Amino acid sequence: GQQVMQIPQYQHVQEGEDFTTYCNSSTTLSNIQWYKQRPGGHPVFLIQLVKSGEVKKQKRLTFQFGEAKKNSSLHITATQTTDVGTYFCAGEQGGSEKLVFGKGTKLTVNP
Amino acid sequence: DGGITQSPKYLFRKEGQNVTLSCEQNLNHDAMYWYRQDPGQGLRLIYYSQIVNDFQKGDIAEGYSVSREKKESFPLTVTSAQKNPTAFYLCASSKRMRSSYEQYFGPGTRLTVT
Repeated sequence: GQQVMQIPQYQHVQEGEDFTTYCNSSTTLSNIQWYKQRPGGHPVFLIQLVKSGEVKKQKRLTFQFGEAKKNSSLHITATQTTDVGTYFCAGEQGGSEKLVFGKGTKLTVNP
Repeated sequence: DGGITQSPKYLFRKEGQNVTLSCEQNLNHDAMYWYRQDPGQGLRLIYYSQIVNDFQKGDIAEGYSVSREKKESFPLTVTSAQKNPTAFYLCASSKRMRSSYEQYFGPGTRLTVT
């Protein structure tokens, strides 16, 4: 079945550095969602991208959806300690209406 | 206060026992889901339900069972047939069973079986 690959699995940065996580699918995605899970918490929805080449911003977070709708990225500018957590992307599995989650990127920030 | 509740937060069981995890939502959502989370494995779908009295197997349904007798409730039973039941279990819901709807997650239940 369709898989959504996410890299890197772990990323450790110094506070103030930028961070990017990438999500790739072998098939075209109708949309992609991003979630954040704080340590000890549960995933919380951040954003959804639908259009080819779409770019959305939330303060220091920039989300992109590739032109072919097979990849997406989340970029955080000037990380803060409040950004720590695991970031997941999720895309639809081949017309099934089910979301398939990537394995996530765990971000740690050194103050 | 609208949301999803899961209880208990921590659960300990002996091997060979069945255990039922509770999930309740007051968001009036049609679709509900159960995920299992293991370190480094992301979220894996166990079962999902699009509507009351209907549910389907997800990717890792073996050793689990569910029911959906009420719109608000979607309990998960971890049976003794589940070979490796120790994990963090997350319940979620969405307005409809469509990938365009965001999923709302409960706080999770951490199950330890010894």
